Amino acid sequence: GAVVSQHPSWVICKSGTSVKIECRSLDFQATTMFWYRQFPKQSLMLMATSNEGSKATYEQGVEKDKFLINHASLTLSTLTVTSAHPEDSSFYICSATERLAGSSADTQYFGPGTRLTVL
Amino acid sequence: AQTVTQSQPEMSVQEAETVTLSCTYDTSESDYYLFWYKQPPSRQMILVIRQEAYKQQNATENRFSVNFQKAAKSFSLKISDSQLGDAAMYFCAYIPRSGGSNYKLTFGKGTLLTVNP
Repeated sequence: GAVVSQHPSWVICKSGTSVKIECRSLDFQATTMFWYRQFPKQSLMLMATSNEGSKATYEQGVEKDKFLINHASLTLSTLTVTSAHPEDSSFYICSATERLAGSSADTQYFGPGTRLTVL
Repeated sequence: AQTVTQSQPEMSVQEAETVTLSCTYDTSESDYYLFWYKQPPSRQMILVIRQEAYKQQNATENRFSVNFQKAAKSFSLKISDSQLGDAAMYFCAYIPRSGGSNYKLTFGKGTLLTVNP
């Protein structure tokens, strides 16, 4: 159980274009989803926290106008990298927490990641 | 602020042997969760094991077990009978139990484990 998918797994785009990455919880309802960025050989850096039906909360230093997050349903969150530039090239990972009846959400399950290359 | 420290950037182990990965953390919270995640070359983050701070018993999952020392704020991962497929980056992570719905995981910098045949 607790499977999270991401699409696409990799994308190459031209500088100035926008790219949308989807994150889906396949077998559970995710009240909260998280978006991370990971540089080679480094740990995960949290970009934003997204709750279904409300605006995302961005971490300090993350441009909300550059990285648009939408969490329209309990199983889908999207990250749109707007006007992408080569410095936005990275590995983007989403995660989701499962709301269990009578308990607090705690364990995050991760998607397989999306490798973005901006030319 | 919470911090998670993994003091071993790299470790290696012979196949079939045992290896222990270290993790320490700093928090003022009394109730929290600790995790070990594995990230193989595919880069998929895989949950290895989870420990609830209020439980004194150390969590185990098959060949993986932890040594949770709450007073010392230490949470090490032991991998027994190491297999080639265990080769990966291992991340220790912490999250407080309190804090509403926006739980944020704090990760360590990771330990790269190599398994030698």
